[in-house]
Amino acid sequence: GNSVTQMEGPVTLSEEAFLTINCTYTATGYPSLFWYVQYPGEGLQLLLKATKADDKGSNKGFEATYRKETTSFHLEKGSVQVSDSAVYFCALSDPTDSSYKLIFGSGTRLLVRP
Amino acid sequence: NAGVTQTPKFRVLKTGQSMTLLCAQDMNHEYMYWYRQDPGMGLRLIHYSVGEGTTAKGEVPDGYNVSRLKKQNFLLGLESAAPSQTSVYFCASSAGLAGRQETQYFGPGTRLLVL
Repeated sequence: GNSVTQMEGPVTLSEEAFLTINCTYTATGYPSLFWYVQYPGEGLQLLLKATKADDKGSNKGFEATYRKETTSFHLEKGSVQVSDSAVYFCALSDPTDSSYKLIFGSGTRLLVRP
Repeated sequence: NAGVTQTPKFRVLKTGQSMTLLCAQDMNHEYMYWYRQDPGMGLRLIHYSVGEGTTAKGEVPDGYNVSRLKKQNFLLGLESAAPSQTSVYFCASSAGLAGRQETQYFGPGTRLLVL
């Protein structure tokens, strides 16, 4: 079945450091891929998405490229801020599944120190 | 627009008690979902609905029931709560248009503690 694997957290960085959060997936077809972010005490918000191979999603300085050859969708940001401290979830959606449900990774907590 | 709202925000139940969680969306979305979030496990789908009057089981449906009597509301019921149902529950909605990967919009969550 379809699944998503994320790197274990927490990830602790100093402000302005470079961020990478790894995400790999297993899917039978050609899924769409998402990164959601959850700030403390809040629900999940879509951060970025990509719907086909080699697409790059980007938002708020974050980027992720859909790599079919390595089945990966790693999240990157060149210079993190304290306000980026949150839990980040990688997810996929199977376009052949009429429910459009999301399959999530376990989440990676990011803590950015001033 | 309020987006997706959930009621209540927090609840404590005793084992065997029942309760209903309410989710409401004002975006005229067809699809609605209930997930539970547990430490180290991400979010798992409980039940979902692809339109008013329809419901379907997700990954972890046991112990839960749902109803979608109105398009804007999606109710999650626990008939006899168990400690294993202690979790944070999130509702989400999406337009769910055929052939497109629609974004899901999430509510703020309901934290449930079953003693």
